[in-house]
Amino acid sequence: AQSVTQPDIHITVSEGASLELRCNYSYGATPYLFWYVQSPGQGLQLLLKYFSGDTLVQGIKGFEAEFKRSQSSFNLRKPSVHWSDAAEYFCAVSTQGAQKLVFGQGTRLTINP
Amino acid sequence: DSGVTQTPKHLITATGQRVTLRCSPRSGDLSVYWYQQSLDQGLQFLIQYYNGEERAKGNILERFSAQQFPDLHSELNLSSLELGDSALYFCASSALGGGLRTGELFFGEGSRLTVL
Repeated sequence: AQSVTQPDIHITVSEGASLELRCNYSYGATPYLFWYVQSPGQGLQLLLKYFSGDTLVQGIKGFEAEFKRSQSSFNLRKPSVHWSDAAEYFCAVSTQGAQKLVFGQGTRLTINP
Repeated sequence: DSGVTQTPKHLITATGQRVTLRCSPRSGDLSVYWYQQSLDQGLQFLIQYYNGEERAKGNILERFSAQQFPDLHSELNLSSLELGDSALYFCASSALGGGLRTGELFFGEGSRLTVL
């Protein structure tokens, strides 16, 4: 069965520090990978996506993610976080022909001033 | 603003009641997805419609049903409500019906249901 694991439920970093949020997936086929962000009281917004090609993808708001097939991972990174990055982050997986996205449990990011 | 509109934003009701949640997709999007978000289950896929037809079903209870109308808006009906149905219900839309080739689902802000 398809599954997505985000090992960190909650992460706290200081403003200006670097960030890495982990995502591991279990999928038989070639995955399509996504990161979404949910701000309090808001819906989910797509940060970035990976289908094929360059394994390092750039997204909005200065985020990037790297697909590592050998590790079944798609970790999200940002070199310097801003207080406005405080939110919940979801990794999601799909495959061609699939009818849905499977989401991880989410990682809540808190930013210390 | 994603372009996906959900109503109502908040709903409080009692156990045993029935409610209807409404979703208007982005202009031109043919697919509508419903997801349930709760603290213990996370984001769970419920059901997908494409151009009026059911395309995929997830962890949707038999007490729940949905439909997509000719104007492409969708409704999620929740009946015989239980305390455990309290959750945030998201609607998302996509231009494509299957495969999620572009991968981008556009999410509404959700309808928060509280069952007392």
